[in-house]
Amino acid sequence: GESVGLHLPTLSVQEGDNSIINCAYSNSASDYFIWYKQESGKGPQFIIDIRSNMDKRQGQRVTVLLNKTVKHLSLQIAATQPGDSAVYFCAENGQRYSGAGSYQLTFGKGTKLSVIP
Amino acid sequence: GAGVSQSPSNKVTEKGKDVELRCDPISGHTALYWYRQSLGQGLEFLIYFQGNSAPDKSGLPSDRFSAERTGGSVSTLTIQRTQQEDSAVYLCASSQGHPSYEQYFGPGTRLTVT
Repeated sequence: GESVGLHLPTLSVQEGDNSIINCAYSNSASDYFIWYKQESGKGPQFIIDIRSNMDKRQGQRVTVLLNKTVKHLSLQIAATQPGDSAVYFCAENGQRYSGAGSYQLTFGKGTKLSVIP
Repeated sequence: GAGVSQSPSNKVTEKGKDVELRCDPISGHTALYWYRQSLGQGLEFLIYFQGNSAPDKSGLPSDRFSAERTGGSVSTLTIQRTQQEDSAVYLCASSQGHPSYEQYFGPGTRLTVT
């Protein structure tokens, strides 16, 4: 899950196993959620998104699950590979309004995924 | 095509000096964002530009921080009288129009204030 301190939660997974990264979001009004992947020294990269009218969405080797009842989001990575090692951030759109219909993303603290070869 | 670029990649400055960080968004993207990422933390929203509209500056942490976007393209984030707590990675992102949350991030500028 997400961390509130300086130390990122870390998930260590054996290569080939499935990974599940969890995220608790705060605003029940959020209707759009995104997962980003950030490799060391790089900017975040979009992985997958989901709208609140869905509870599951699948991409290539990744699945996002949304449970609006408990405000929980998860990212599942199938057959985890060494290249999946990174920090994963969830983001929601319901907390910050910029006016003119624009809502900004609010990012969680991130979870570090380490893949053991 | 070319992604979002930022310069410099690293900046070391002395406390009290001013710094300018530059962002070149993806061509044609009307929305531009600045974020700050402290060590081991998530992304802290700073400012948002959308087309010719007035920017959303609500995330700027103090009046020492300001940003401009000239000609709807390149943006500069300026930090005046830098403090040690300003040390962080400053990330710029752009997206196609509004609303669009799929933001394309640059590699960031690592700022160290000594």
